[in-house]
Amino acid sequence: QVQLVESGGGLVKPGGSLRLSCAASGFNFSDCFMTWVRQAPGKGLEWISIISGSGDSMYYRDSLKGRFTISRDNAENSLYLQMNSLRVEDTGVYYCTAASDGGNIRSAFDSWGQGALVTVSS
Amino acid sequence: SYVLTQSPSVSVAPGQTARITCGGNNIGSKSVHWYQQKPGQAPVLVVHDDSDRPSGIPERFSGSNSGNTATLTISRVEAGDEADYYCQLWESRSDKGVFGGGTKLTVL
Repeated sequence: QVQLVESGGGLVKPGGSLRLSCAASGFNFSDCFMTWVRQAPGKGLEWISIISGSGDSMYYRDSLKGRFTISRDNAENSLYLQMNSLRVEDTGVYYCTAASDGGNIRSAFDSWGQGALVTVSS
Repeated sequence: SYVLTQSPSVSVAPGQTARITCGGNNIGSKSVHWYQQKPGQAPVLVVHDDSDRPSGIPERFSGSNSGNTATLTISRVEAGDEADYYCQLWESRSDKGVFGGGTKLTVL
């Protein structure tokens, strides 16, 4: 079955950096768009970034462009999110999601990881 | 940027029908997906592409989309349906994903 496992979350000071990883299994990873979604404490879901199966196309939330970078390693079935210049408002749970049926960029996120908690605090 | 508007809360008695709406400019021309999130859990896809159900999702969950409103309908509501529900779509003009603000469904 499809499995997504995030890692790399933790406590970081404002201005610091963190790299999240997502290990994928149970589907044809290289065929699928992958997306990062986050959720601040007590708040709603927020779309962050998406990457195509080949890794050639990436799109970002406007407010995060330049600080966050999405990437993938299809040989390792892994998705990454490099987060730089972190701010207190970046605190939240970060979810790795997949359109695991190999659809298109408009496809739904049919699979979600358990989430990685990122806390930005001094 | 494209905005999806959801009512913050909906309340319904067990056995009744809950309708959760998602408003957006000409949303009927886009594919809308719906997610259910229970406290402390990751979201789960319950309806995709306006009205399709993933395997394992009860038939009680259905969706529609027309004009400026998409609707998630939950028939014969059960206590276990109490959760936050989010609509979501891909906005091709700006190449961005968008979530609605979420609706908390309370089963009375």
